[in-house]
Amino acid sequence: GIQVEQSPPDLILQEGANSTLRCNFSDSVNNLQWFHQNPWGQLINLFYIPSGTKQNGRLSATTVATERYSLLYISSSQTTDSGVYFCAVGGNQFYFGTGTSLTVIP
Amino acid sequence: ETGVTQSPTHLIKTRGQQVTLRCSSQSGHNTVSWYQQALGQGPQFIFQYYREEENGRGNFPPRFSGLQFPNYSSELNVNALELDDSALYLCASSSDSSGNTIYFGEGSWLTVV
Repeated sequence: GIQVEQSPPDLILQEGANSTLRCNFSDSVNNLQWFHQNPWGQLINLFYIPSGTKQNGRLSATTVATERYSLLYISSSQTTDSGVYFCAVGGNQFYFGTGTSLTVIP
Repeated sequence: ETGVTQSPTHLIKTRGQQVTLRCSSQSGHNTVSWYQQALGQGPQFIFQYYREEENGRGNFPPRFSGLQFPNYSSELNVNALELDDSALYLCASSSDSSGNTIYFGEGSWLTVV
């Protein structure tokens, strides 16, 4: 299967700070999505981004498919951004990384 | 709110028992996938159903089985439960078999004792 590596594994930020989360993957994919998992376990879809750049409010993502990586940018972080961020790649079957656990402190 | 609902939300079973987890997909979605997420790990693909047929399977033993119904809702059945089956089970629905954008339910937390 496709290997997915996410970094950093853990991140602690002061409220208002910016951060960049990285996802490297081992093979060409036609689908890449970023998710945020809240403390209750729900995975919320943030971006469908197999290539290119997208922005949604304080969040943006960039995927460079030819170099097999994707970046998730969080600007002006808020405590509600806390949780685990997952990158998932694939098509019919999604391969997930082990996530980046983000804690935003007031 | 993703429109994907799962039940039950929490359950405790004894080793060796059987469990059935249920998922109602988002309206209009004909593809359902199931994932197992162990504590501290990312979700792992169990299998996918597309229009009532299995459309791909991950590295899980045959005691993990599933069904998809004509209304596209789905069940995950696990027989002969083992302690390592304790995990969060997630259902995801999408609008076609390529899974362009997938939407997850809130999951079912299974504890095997």
